[in-house]
Amino acid sequence: QPRLQETGPGLVKPSETLSLTCAVSGVSISDRDNWWAWIRQAPGKGLEWLGTLSSGGASTYSPSLRSRLFLFGDTSKNHFSLRLTSVTAADTAVYFCASLIISSSYYFDSWGQGTLVTVSS
Amino acid sequence: SSEVTQDPAVSVPLGHTVSITCQGDSLRRFSVSWYQQKSGQAPVPVVYATHNRPSGIPRRFSGSTSGDTATLFITEVQAEDEAVYYCNCRDKSGSYPVFGGGTKLTVL
Repeated sequence: QPRLQETGPGLVKPSETLSLTCAVSGVSISDRDNWWAWIRQAPGKGLEWLGTLSSGGASTYSPSLRSRLFLFGDTSKNHFSLRLTSVTAADTAVYFCASLIISSSYYFDSWGQGTLVTVSS
Repeated sequence: SSEVTQDPAVSVPLGHTVSITCQGDSLRRFSVSWYQQKSGQAPVPVVYATHNRPSGIPRRFSGSTSGDTATLFITEVQAEDEAVYYCNCRDKSGSYPVFGGGTKLTVL
């Protein structure tokens, strides 16, 4: 099972861009059995899937965020990243990265510990 | 609104059995996974592909599905099982994953 660790700023100003990185160890992000996902959780709320990056670099985004979200990977560093533009207070959340098994099982088998991002001036 | 829905809360006496349900049309086509999230922690998968347990998950966790409803069962509930449980499956088109709203389990 891979191990994942999110890094990024804890505070972002409204209208600016949020950038987060997920470092992966134990498995290559090019491994075809694993895809890579970002999931967030607003304070006191449930889990919200944001987007998924395939082992080949193709991305799928939540319809509600498609216009503001960009996911990409760096195989040389074995990490993948999220970029969310034009943030507002509604983007304040704990952001988790996770690995997605895409065989017939289709489930998030490993998660990072999460990183809290607050959008505030 | 979510494509899969869960009851917000359920309570169960210590040592008893509890069922947590997840309902949605996409459950007719796609398998479900269940996640346990304790306060301040990352979610942990407890059941995947409807009824399989990841390594290290106690046998008291099990799952099933019937029609548009998936169920997570926890037998001989322990105090440590108190958490929020989320179901997850693909959307109706199979394009992306969707989470249920979560069910908060209280152990009495």
